[in-house]
Amino acid sequence: EDKVVQSPLSLVVHEGDTVTLNCSYEVTNFRSLLWYKQEKKAPTFLFMLTSSGIEKKSGRLSSILDKKELFSILNITATQTGDSAVYLCAVGGPNSGYALNFGKGTSLLVTP
Amino acid sequence: SQTIHQWPATLVQPVGSPLSLECTVEGTSNPNLYWYRQAAGRGLQLLFYSVGIGQISSEVPQNLSASRPQDRQFILSSKKLLLSDSGFYLCAWSGQRRFETQYFGPGTRLLVL
Repeated sequence: EDKVVQSPLSLVVHEGDTVTLNCSYEVTNFRSLLWYKQEKKAPTFLFMLTSSGIEKKSGRLSSILDKKELFSILNITATQTGDSAVYLCAVGGPNSGYALNFGKGTSLLVTP
Repeated sequence: SQTIHQWPATLVQPVGSPLSLECTVEGTSNPNLYWYRQAAGRGLQLLFYSVGIGQISSEVPQNLSASRPQDRQFILSSKKLLLSDSGFYLCAWSGQRRFETQYFGPGTRLLVL
């Protein structure tokens, strides 16, 4: 059975700290890994990763995939209170059909 | 640009009552459409997906059903709600190719009492 495990489940940091969120997966015939940010409502797309070792970057957020060790990390530098959210990792692969397999998420709280 | 709408935003329904949630997409043609449920403490679970009008695939057996009467309209229904149907229902769309990024609507929070 395909699995996506995120850690930690929750995290509290101070503004300005750097955080690293983890996502490990066991998915047959992996094709892509996606990161989403979920505040009160809909998850918003952050990154899609398909190749190992290539960092994707958007402002203070960056992410990288390791297909050999089957994990990805999401880094947020110089955190701000607006980064407080649940960060979701999702993995797609042929055996999952059209579904994305989601982890349970990491809840991040950035305090002033 | 593409936008996705869901309504209602919030719904409180008694056990045994029917349900109809609607999702529409603008700014794209022939999208794949998805219904997910997010229950407290659990990850997003795919309920249904559709690759075209009238084509529905169910991922999880339950008392819910889905329909796609038009290209950009996706409806989630139930004849009789259960307490366990409470949750946050999200509609998403993607391009036609598999493994494309899925983009989510604002969601409907359903509470069954």
